[in-house]
Amino acid sequence: DVKVTQSSRYLVKRTGEKVFLECVQDMDHENMFWYRQDPGLGLRLIYFSYDVKMKEKGDIPEGYSVSREKKERFSLILESASTNQTSMYLCASSLLGQGANTGELFFGEGSRLTVL
Amino acid sequence: GDSVTQMEGPVTLSEEAFLTINCTYTATGYPSLFWYVQYPGEGLQLLLKATKADDKGSNKGFEATYRKETTSFHLEKGSVQVSDSAVYFCALKNTGFQKLVFGTGTRLLVSP
Repeated sequence: DVKVTQSSRYLVKRTGEKVFLECVQDMDHENMFWYRQDPGLGLRLIYFSYDVKMKEKGDIPEGYSVSREKKERFSLILESASTNQTSMYLCASSLLGQGANTGELFFGEGSRLTVL
Repeated sequence: GDSVTQMEGPVTLSEEAFLTINCTYTATGYPSLFWYVQYPGEGLQLLLKATKADDKGSNKGFEATYRKETTSFHLEKGSVQVSDSAVYFCALKNTGFQKLVFGTGTRLLVSP
């Protein structure tokens, strides 16, 4: 069974702490994504990566960075957590390409982060 | 830029009722369109998709038809079940881009 695994389902951190959210996929997908999900705002793209060591900013990259040292792993980093980063964070992966069989995202179960 | 607009929820229905969740989009070119579903406590999973105009995607009794003339991709089901209670997201992927653009989601609540 194909899988995207996020390391932590629930985290509670304090303002100013450095936070790492880890995501691993076992499908050999080129693309990996980090979204945040907030009520009334849907899913907003933070960063994505289409290859090892490559990254692209999404719609809301401010306050975040990412790391992709291996194809299967994509990490989201909050350098100095703030209360407005309290949210559900969703990792996803997909195949690279333009064909009809591409585009489907496979999601992890999410990491709910609370910043106090 | 590309965008997706969904009807606001929650949509509250009784079991066996007919469901429609509206989705319209704005995009240049010829995007692929998707419906994703998020059950409580889980991540999103693909429900159905359509890759060109007039295509109909279907899965688990749900259907949606890609209407280019009205830029719509409305989700329908003839008879909903309590187990269909979830949040439904409409999304598009445009040609030349790897990322998906999502709507804000519509919560469906089905009561027995």
